[in-house]
Amino acid sequence: ETGVTQSPTHLIKTRGQQVTLRCSSQSGHNTVSWYQQALGQGPQFIFQYYREEENGRGNFPPRFSGLQFPNYSSELNVNALELDDSALYLCASSFGTGWETQYFGPGTRLLVL
Amino acid sequence: DQQVKQNSPSLSVQEGRISILNCDYTNSMFDYFLWYKKYPAEGPTFLISISSIKDKNEDGRFTVFLNKSAKHLSLHIVPSQPGDSAVYFCAASAGANSKLTFGKGITLSVRP
Repeated sequence: ETGVTQSPTHLIKTRGQQVTLRCSSQSGHNTVSWYQQALGQGPQFIFQYYREEENGRGNFPPRFSGLQFPNYSSELNVNALELDDSALYLCASSFGTGWETQYFGPGTRLLVL
Repeated sequence: DQQVKQNSPSLSVQEGRISILNCDYTNSMFDYFLWYKKYPAEGPTFLISISSIKDKNEDGRFTVFLNKSAKHLSLHIVPSQPGDSAVYFCAASAGANSKLTFGKGITLSVRP
């Protein structure tokens, strides 16, 4: 059974660019949640996808968007990057929407210059 | 506006002693609380949870206490082991399926 994987591990972008981060869910999981963790802060919930539909969203602007595919892998897209978007982006997968059962990936470190 | 607060950024304890990690919250709608542990270069892993209908939950060396009137919870680790050295996040939700709100985390160091 493979765990949650994320790609790329690190990324450097410039302000105004667009970025796509990818997450492969753990086998058998149908739910994925995305979090942003700024330096020195705890993870902040961005949104959750359950069976390819958005199932809840945190306080993030519309330029943060997502997608979940039929195989339950997921993408996080961020348009018009700002310097404050520099953070560790974590995805977590689970079977169902319960928080206890979510498994986190190692994250993608994004730096916006 | 931080709804989940972990005011102590770090804690250092001797191996074998008790570690007590504290967490306060301001949102009275929170009814489900979780603790996560995070090692460097890894994602957080679920440790233990507690529902607001309980005041204590125990799992091996880990016990979480909830004081609803004070809006305070604590994680006790007894006995502490060097492998417990990690960042610990407190998280809360208002309802089983509502969004999860995390605190900033506490770095625990267990000295051999």
